[in-house]
Amino acid sequence: DAGVTQSPTHLIKTRGQQVTLRCSPKSGHDTVSWYQQALGQGPQFIFQYYEEEERQRGNFPDRFSGHQFPNYSSELNVNALLLGDSALYLCASSLRLNEKLFFGSGTQLSVL
Amino acid sequence: DAKTTQPPSMDCAEGRAANLPCNHSTISGNEYVYWYRQIHSQGPQYIIHGLKNNETNEMASLIITEDRKSSTLILPHATLRDTAVYYCIVRVPRGVNNFNKFYFGSGTKLNVKP
Repeated sequence: DAGVTQSPTHLIKTRGQQVTLRCSPKSGHDTVSWYQQALGQGPQFIFQYYEEEERQRGNFPDRFSGHQFPNYSSELNVNALLLGDSALYLCASSLRLNEKLFFGSGTQLSVL
Repeated sequence: DAKTTQPPSMDCAEGRAANLPCNHSTISGNEYVYWYRQIHSQGPQYIIHGLKNNETNEMASLIITEDRKSSTLILPHATLRDTAVYYCIVRVPRGVNNFNKFYFGSGTKLNVKP
């Protein structure tokens, strides 16, 4: 049973560019959440998707957007990249009514 | 947004019990306490959670004080592989849409030494 998979594992972009990160949830899970983790900090909640709609959002600007597909996979898009967007981006999946989040290993984004 | 306070780091000898404290003095009556850990370069891993009663599973025990203002995660026999950052999280109650949301703090870096 595959867990949560994220791609790519590492990514280097320059300021002003746009980036798309991808996530496949654990088999049987229908909810995907995205987190940003800066170096030395805990993960910060970005948003959560269920039934292809954004259901909850943390304190992140509109440059951060997402999408969920009918097969429950998800994408995180970040426009107009800033140096401060450099971080580990984590995807977590869960069942809508289940308490546990299962995390992927993340995508390390570096903005130069 | 984090509702918990944890020491930034702790040391523990291999084979001994590791006791990781967490303060959540503003917790509400229906908010759960969760513990996750993050080993370097991996995503956080679920350990245990509880509401009022003490909980135990194959990984750890969770002791919650009677007033629910603090808790302790206990790893009964720490190994070198338990070296990680441990996060104590208060899960915000589900809103009208019935979805969970977790707020992470900075966690405790547990160093298990031989």
